[in-house]
Amino acid sequence: NAGVTQTPKFRILKIGQSMTLQCTQDMNHNYMYWYRQDPGMGLKLIYYSVGAGITDKGEVPNGYNVSRSTTEDFPLRLELAAPSQTSVYFCASSPAQGIYGYTFGSGTRLTVV
Amino acid sequence: QKEVEQNSGPLSVPEGAIASLNCTYSDRGSQSFFWYRQYSGKSPELIMSIYSNGDKEDGRFTAQLNKASQYVSLLIRDSQPSDSATYLCAVNDNTDKLIFGTGTRLQVFP
Repeated sequence: NAGVTQTPKFRILKIGQSMTLQCTQDMNHNYMYWYRQDPGMGLKLIYYSVGAGITDKGEVPNGYNVSRSTTEDFPLRLELAAPSQTSVYFCASSPAQGIYGYTFGSGTRLTVV
Repeated sequence: QKEVEQNSGPLSVPEGAIASLNCTYSDRGSQSFFWYRQYSGKSPELIMSIYSNGDKEDGRFTAQLNKASQYVSLLIRDSQPSDSATYLCAVNDNTDKLIFGTGTRLQVFP
């Protein structure tokens, strides 16, 4: 049972480039989330999804896009990367609304230069 | 703006002592409360959840909840150097997502 899998683990982007951060879970969880965590800071919610075909913005959605075509996958798209998007990105999933807590992936460390 | 507040620390305790980590939250309607442990460079790991007023024990960990005071705490007994990490408090207020505190860094020294 792999849980929540994120790829890649590390990536360096140049300003203006685009990329997709992949997130897959094999626990049949309906709820999935994308967070960013800057050094020494807390988790900030970027986007979340309560099921396939449904997505919603979190507190810091600008510069990002998501899609949820299947229960398993929740990719995060960065368009026109900027240095402010240098961060560690975590994907998480949960089986139900706020009851069981989240299972986090191992994270993607992104540097934009 | 719903908030979860934690002292950033570091909280330094000697090996074998009890570490007490505290968290307050702003939304009185909050129902579910979680503690995550995050080692440096790693992802958060769920260690405790609590839903009712009182204490919940799991091994060396005890979570305490007081909804009237909007306060949740985590006690770590017999602290070990391996407990050194950042501890995140998270609260659900019956929406689809958790609200995280910024975390308290715990240092356990031999």
